[in-house]
Amino acid sequence: ETGVTQSPTHLIKTRGQQVTLRCSSQSGHNTVSWYQQALGQGPQFIFQYYREEENGRGNFPPRFSGLQFPNYSSELNVNALELDDSALYLCASSLQLGQGLETQYFGPGTRLLVL
Amino acid sequence: ELKVEQNPLFLSMQEGKNYTIYCNYSTTSDRLYWYRQDPGKSLESLFVLLSNGAVKQEGRLMASLDTKARLSTLHITAAVHDLSATYFCAVDMWDNYGQNFVFGPGTRLSVLP
Repeated sequence: ETGVTQSPTHLIKTRGQQVTLRCSSQSGHNTVSWYQQALGQGPQFIFQYYREEENGRGNFPPRFSGLQFPNYSSELNVNALELDDSALYLCASSLQLGQGLETQYFGPGTRLLVL
Repeated sequence: ELKVEQNPLFLSMQEGKNYTIYCNYSTTSDRLYWYRQDPGKSLESLFVLLSNGAVKQEGRLMASLDTKARLSTLHITAAVHDLSATYFCAVDMWDNYGQNFVFGPGTRLSVLP
């Protein structure tokens, strides 16, 4: 158990809909990162939030957006869902010191299916 | 663009044998991470390697980092079935958008009795 929780665990949506995924960070951590993992592939970095500000972004379109709240929990929002958005979405909580991250602790993930 | 490669992608080995997984990356980074993922599960952090020459060991796994060669290795000693999983290396870097994190494709390890 990492202390990182995500909700919901599973979700089914249709093309064009919008979805919000939630992540609760481990106590004491100030950074949350979101990843998309398609079946059989490595995680793809979506973005990272540090103290409520976006601190880095991977190669994802603007319809992927996020928030980090004062308690360091976070949301990932995806608009105009496409079939290719079907994946496991992972959030990871960590403590950022200086220029790099310490260990990232991953939540159990949200499995999204877009029909 | 930062690229991370792993070799091999699939590895089937017998219990008791030793083997090494290689992770190459394409641009300068001083931090490398190793993770384990069991089927249908999330990722578990194994090692964080923070500097050139860093070596860390936990049980039958040992990881090392050569930043000059842009190479990390994950060595498995006397494999046991419980080590069967997919192993990912990952590298972080700073680009125009801030921090970026790139994972390798993973090495799927199967340890056979």
